[in-house]
Parts: sequence; structure tokens; C-alpha cells
Amino acid sequence: KNEVEQSPQNLTAQEGEFITINCSYSVGISALHWLQQHPGGGIVSLFMLSSGKKKHGRLIATINIQEKHSSLHITASHPRDSAVYICAVTRTGNQFYFGTGTSLTVIP
Amino acid sequence: GAVVSQHPSWVICKSGTSVKIECRSLDFQATTMFWYRQFPKQSLMLMATSNEGSKATYEQGVEKDKFLINHASLTLSTLTVTSAHPEDSSFYICSALTGGSGGSPLHFGNGTRLTVT
Repeated sequence: KNEVEQSPQNLTAQEGEFITINCSYSVGISALHWLQQHPGGGIVSLFMLSSGKKKHGRLIATINIQEKHSSLHITASHPRDSAVYICAVTRTGNQFYFGTGTSLTVIP
Repeated sequence: GAVVSQHPSWVICKSGTSVKIECRSLDFQATTMFWYRQFPKQSLMLMATSNEGSKATYEQGVEKDKFLINHASLTLSTLTVTSAHPEDSSFYICSALTGGSGGSPLHFGNGTRLTVT
């Protein structure tokens, strides 16, 4: 069993739709990261959070430490949001575990 | 923001040769850098953790003698794929922590696509 599970694996949405990607983890963590990887391969760190909720533009990330669960929401989705979204968790001592990613396609 | 530069962005080499990939933190000191490998349509696979001035810590199943990692300064880590073979063809990515603990943001290089012929 993977330490980090993401769902869905693939997601197709119409432009403008509200999107949610889920991440569950099974280990104690010091932080959770949401990453975005575009088709060219480059990876951008979207959020790092250890509690509560963070918002940046149309992106919102939440985490529930008790339930070991995090969600990434995209409001008013746009084709440029099409990418692979990866959930990663860090433990003390710089241990990292990565989810398998969610491939998002937003259709105009 | 923190920038990580990875070079080269792509490389083609012949089987049996060695390839060096560089990862530089341009505007911050990175005491810890990470090297990943990614196969098509799969997520990142952590290969090793590189700490400045000390030996890298390799993940289980990663050959230390095959993938040589050097972190000689606070701004540079290198990954050398030695005696490359076609099965080493992959996308290699580095990342760096801006702080000293797992609670610090991660910053990624743009990756290196290696093709071994």
C-alpha cells in the first residue's frame, strides 16, 4: 500500500467547472505539498501546508490532520490548468512520499 | 522566489558513456537537494537525498555506483549516470529545500530528459 493515495487518477472537466483532487496519507507528517507538473515536465510547488487552508488565486488547498486527508480545489477551471497534480508529504528527517498524481484535462 | 536551475534540459548519449546533470540553487543556499526519476505517465520516484558536504542517502533499489551524487557546495548538486544503458533513459528532476527541515517549501528544477542510444 502506498503511503500517499490520490484520487481521481484522471480527470476531465469543462472549462469553468469546480474541480477537487483528493489526497489521503497514512503516515505522520510535518507538511503536505501540492505540486503541479506541466506536459513539458517542469514542476511547480503550489502549496505547502501543515494545517487548515490556503488560497492562491483560483486554487485552494485544505488539510485535515486528524483524518490524514487533503484536498486541492480549482475554481473556474481553465484549459491552462491542464497538468498533473501531485500530492507529496514530508516527514521529519526530510523523508518524502509522493502520490501517483492526478492528470487533469480542462476542455474549452 | 527561489529558483533551481537544472542543466542540461535534455541529453542524448551512447550506451556505455557517462552523463552529468547539474542542479543549482540560484538565489538561496540549499543544504538539502533531492534527485528523482520519472518514467512516462508515472509519478516522481525519489532516488536519493543529497546533503552538502556529506554522502548522499540513496533510496532502496537505487544503485549508488550507477548514480553518483555529489553535493560539494550549498548551491550545487550533481548526478552522474555512469556507464549509461538504454534502460537508464528517463526524466531526471532535482529539487531543493530552502530551509533545513521537511517543513520547508520544495523548489524544482525543470528536469533533464536523458536518452541513451
